Amino acid sequence: EIVLTQSPGTLSLSPGERATLSCRASQSVSSSYFAWYQQKPGQAPRLLISGASSRATGIPDRFSGSGSGTDFTLTISRLEPEDFAVYYCQQYGSSPRSFGQGTKLEIK
Amino acid sequence: EVQLLESGGGLVQPGGSLRLSCAASGFTFNNYAMSWVRQTPGKGLEWVSAISGSGGSTYYADSVKGRFTISRDNSKNTLSLQMNSLRAEDTAVYYCAKVDGSYYGAGDYWGQGTLVTVSS
Repeated sequence: EIVLTQSPGTLSLSPGERATLSCRASQSVSSSYFAWYQQKPGQAPRLLISGASSRATGIPDRFSGSGSGTDFTLTISRLEPEDFAVYYCQQYGSSPRSFGQGTKLEIK
Repeated sequence: EVQLLESGGGLVQPGGSLRLSCAASGFTFNNYAMSWVRQTPGKGLEWVSAISGSGGSTYYADSVKGRFTISRDNSKNTLSLQMNSLRAEDTAVYYCAKVDGSYYGAGDYWGQGTLVTVSS
């Protein structure tokens, strides 16, 4: 089983700042089968990035994903007020298709 | 427009059974794998199970293997999760998600979830 560890657990930033969220896998993720999701309170998760770096439909270009192997990064170039939420990473290249524990992005 | 509507959640005693359903519309259902993901209130996401577009391949988390069964009816555009031998730790909101591939993929559309509470 691939274990995903996200860091930091909480990130406190101000609107307009750049956010960098990390996710490390316990083993290499095959073929970049890697995704990032955003979840706001009371809502279902929303897909942001798949294939490690491809933005999902309708996702603003301030969101970008990078990485391969065991280290992946989600970058939000300039934070908007609506970006403050919890972010999860997921690998879907092998079963079980595990999630990270989440990073809470909060307003400073 | 893709829509996923879960149903079947509720209160069940430990050791009991429950069947969740997810009605899908707005896409060619049998072309895509589907998943169930759960979330304990206030906690993170846990992947539970997935099924290929044809229904021929199924996958489970170790925590539910042997107790839960995922299935789909491609003629009715419906995904199901049969949950047996339920435990307190199965209490969660259960989401169905469309996968952006026929076998592997990310969850590109999600339902709003259905709450399962296992308690005596």
